[in-house]
Amino acid sequence: GAVVSQHPSWVICKSGTSVKIECRSLDFQATTMFWYRQFPKQSLMLMATSNEGSKATYEQGVEKDKFLINHASLTLSTLTVTSAHPEDSSFYICSATGLGGTQYFGPGTRLTVL
Amino acid sequence: AQSVSQHNHHVILSEAASLELGCNYSYGGTVNLFWYVQYPGQHLQLLLKYFSGDPLVKGIKGFEAEFIKSKFSFNLRKPSVQWSDTAEYFCAVTAGGGADGLTFGKGTHLIIQP
Repeated sequence: GAVVSQHPSWVICKSGTSVKIECRSLDFQATTMFWYRQFPKQSLMLMATSNEGSKATYEQGVEKDKFLINHASLTLSTLTVTSAHPEDSSFYICSATGLGGTQYFGPGTRLTVL
Repeated sequence: AQSVSQHNHHVILSEAASLELGCNYSYGGTVNLFWYVQYPGQHLQLLLKYFSGDPLVKGIKGFEAEFIKSKFSFNLRKPSVQWSDTAEYFCAVTAGGGADGLTFGKGTHLIIQP
C-alpha cells in the first residue's frame, strides 16, 4: 500500500516551453501533496504544499507563476513548469500524506531543459 | 523554521560493521522525525519514523533510531550492515501534525564494502 506514482519519469524540452508533471496516489487518498526539488548529489528542497481544492502554498524563493500547481482531486496533483529554462533542469519529486501523517514519495521526474 | 544537520556526508564501512549516522535538528516545538533511504536509481523509502511515545523506534531492515529530546538528536543505527545497505540516507523533520512539508538534511552517502 501507499504507492505514489509520477508521470513522466523523465522529460526533455526546449527552452521556453512548458512541462506538466503528474503525481498520483494510487491506493490512498491524499488531501495534501508536496513538491520537492533535488539537485544532483544534494538533498530535497520543499517547493510547495498542494492541498486539494485550494491554492498551493509556496516556499520562500519559489516563483508561483513559474511553478503552477493544481490539486484537482484527492489522488492527483500536477506541477507545470512554465517557460522552462536550463536552470530549471532538476529532479522533481512529489509526496503524498497518508494516514498518520507519513509522507510517501513518488519516483521522481528528471527534467532536462535544452 | 526547522533545520536538519547530518554530520557525516560520506561513510564507508565493511560488511558486518556497526553503523550510526548522526542527525540533529533545530526546532522549538513538537516535531515528527523520519529517516528515509534512497537506493541507487530508486525513489525515497521510509526507514522509520518517530511521532511520539517510545523514543527508541525500530524500522525496516534492522534499522533503529533513538530520539533524544534534550540533544535534539535522532541518530540512526544498525548493529551489522550488509552490502545491500549501500545507499543515500536522509534525516527529515516536520512540525507535529504532519500538515507541513519535510525539511531534509543533506544526506549521508553510505558505502558498504564486501
